[in-house]
Formats: sequence, C-alpha cells, structure tokens
Amino acid sequence: DAGITQSPRHKVTETGTPVTLRCHQTENHRYMYWYRQDPGHGLRLIHYSYGVKDTDKGEVSDGYSVSRSKTEDFLLTLESATSSQTSVYFCAIRPGQDTDTQYFGPGTRLTVL
Amino acid sequence: QKEVEQDPGPLSVPEGAIVSLNCTYSNSAFQYFMWYRQYSRKGPELLMYTYSSGNKEDGRFTAQVDKSSKYISLFIRDSQPSDSATYLCAMRYTGTASKLTFGTGTRLQVTL
Repeated sequence: DAGITQSPRHKVTETGTPVTLRCHQTENHRYMYWYRQDPGHGLRLIHYSYGVKDTDKGEVSDGYSVSRSKTEDFLLTLESATSSQTSVYFCAIRPGQDTDTQYFGPGTRLTVL
Repeated sequence: QKEVEQDPGPLSVPEGAIVSLNCTYSNSAFQYFMWYRQYSRKGPELLMYTYSSGNKEDGRFTAQVDKSSKYISLFIRDSQPSDSATYLCAMRYTGTASKLTFGTGTRLQVTL
C-alpha cells in the first residue's frame, strides 16, 4: 500500500457543511495527488502537489481546495459540500520524478445528503 | 467526447480464457500508457507501463500500444478468478508532471 493512509474512510455529511479529507504518507514522497472516482467518469484529478506548499489544480478543481504544510500530509477541503461531490476520493503518491507510477491509497467514500 | 474511451463492460469469461481489454484515445500527444487493476472497494494498482508504441509482456499480461490507431490493449492469458476486477487504462502527455488521464474502467468477471 506504499504507506498511504486516508482518513476518514467513510463520511456522511450534509449539504453546505465543510469537509476535510486527509492523506498521510510515511515515505516522504514529493508528489501527491487527489482524485475522485465516479461511475461513468473514471478517475479524475482534483489537485496535486509537488512539494510542501506547492500545489496546482487538476481537471475538476472547482469547489475544492488543498493544503500541504508537511511533506507527509496532503489535505483536501470541500468548503461547502454539495451533493455533486458525493464520490469516492483517492489519494496517490508518485515515488520519484523519473517515474509515472502512482500508488493509491484505500479511498474515502463521501456521501453528501 | 472524452479523451480516453473504454467499454465499461461487464465482461464475463470462463477461467482459462484469453481476455482482451481495450482503450481508444483521441489525442496523439499521449506518449505514456498504463494499465491499472482495481479490486472492489480498493485503490487502483499499477499493472503495466509502456512508452510509445509496441508490446510489453509480464507473466500472463501483455500490453500493446498502437499509436497509429490510437488504440491500446491489455491481454490476460489463462485468466483466473483472482483476475476479476476493474481494469483502468491511463495515459499522459510528455512534460505534464505525471498528470494522468484515465479511462472509465472495464469490469471483468472470470467465472469457474
């Protein structure tokens, strides 16, 4: 599992509530990614990070923000959750600049009512 | 139109069959191609990685890239029930900080 944990693993929340998902890695990898996975859309990149305090937007970043104040933690925040953000969220790490391999965490299943 | 198209299945085959999974893509700038396997309620795991055109073999798995047709394939020989999973293709352009574009995944069921 490449030392990646995600928390919480499951969450049910209400529309308009702020939500923060955490990705934690134990191996000090520089590159970290947040994806969402939905039926009919596959995995889509939300945000990614290439170092502490260095982040950039992905394909579906609207409504999401991220922060990375430590190498090991990459936080994804939904400032005001909407039902369209009901999804499974995966964190991934890339273990080096010279590889495309990404290792994924176990996922967080988020339901917004 | 999506950049990467993949038949969602499900694809059901008997144990021991040869399985062919495919993706088509529209952008000729894609240079790096991957196949991920995802078991139910788990994160994807990398199976195969190829650069540009050609074949790559690893055990029972063969990945094939045909850039002229914008078509990639994953073949599984002697399929096993443990191969039952969703298979996702992924690809990226050169110089994009490993920002991958994924297909929607094909669900495979290998029956006894």
